[in-house]
Amino acid sequence: DQQVKQNSPSLSVQEGRISILNCDYTNSMFDYFLWYKKYPAEGPTFLISISSIKDKNEDGRFTVFLNKSAKHLSLHIVPSQPGDSAVYFCAAPRPGGSNYKLTFGKGTLLTVNP
Amino acid sequence: NAGVTQTPKFRILKIGQSMTLQCTQDMNHNYMYWYRQDPGMGLKLIYYSVGAGITDKGEVPNGYNVSRSTTEDFPLRLELAAPSQTSVYFCATVGGHSYEQYFGPGTRLTVT
Repeated sequence: DQQVKQNSPSLSVQEGRISILNCDYTNSMFDYFLWYKKYPAEGPTFLISISSIKDKNEDGRFTVFLNKSAKHLSLHIVPSQPGDSAVYFCAAPRPGGSNYKLTFGKGTLLTVNP
Repeated sequence: NAGVTQTPKFRILKIGQSMTLQCTQDMNHNYMYWYRQDPGMGLKLIYYSVGAGITDKGEVPNGYNVSRSTTEDFPLRLELAAPSQTSVYFCATVGGHSYEQYFGPGTRLTVT
């Protein structure tokens, strides 16, 4: 049962344009979401997060939008740069516990072409 | 401050062999996790620990064992390696004040 879904395995955009990565979730108890970025041969690194009390969080070129009614969040990267090429994972803490476990989506491979 | 370190980076095992994947953190975090990542898949939780002496199973614990004798170390043991355990293994830690997990660089394991 995949509770966090990233339905696009890959995305290709031109340098300078906007990249939009999408994530859907099925568990309405999720109240916090994180995005991780992963380069080949490295571990994932935290990028940005959002609490369910907000519908937007911005950090430089990265903005995450949350639509609770649709159980959907998206990560916007503007402008996209070749160094943004990586796999992006959406994740959510499992509700009901205090052990900080995360449920991850399958990831989306973003390629930014020069 | 190295964060989370993992050894080895790569390993090839024969079916039935055993090995221990090492994970060490210098962040003084209580919570530690082991994940595996298969191609095209997300991260699956194998085992986790909420502090020294306390471990628990994640989603995919079969074929693995862990121990947590110190805050810093959280080794993952494969007793009888099987081809299905070919994967990239990541160790992670979190301090308990936020959900942000810090990951090690991973161990790429091939079982043939």
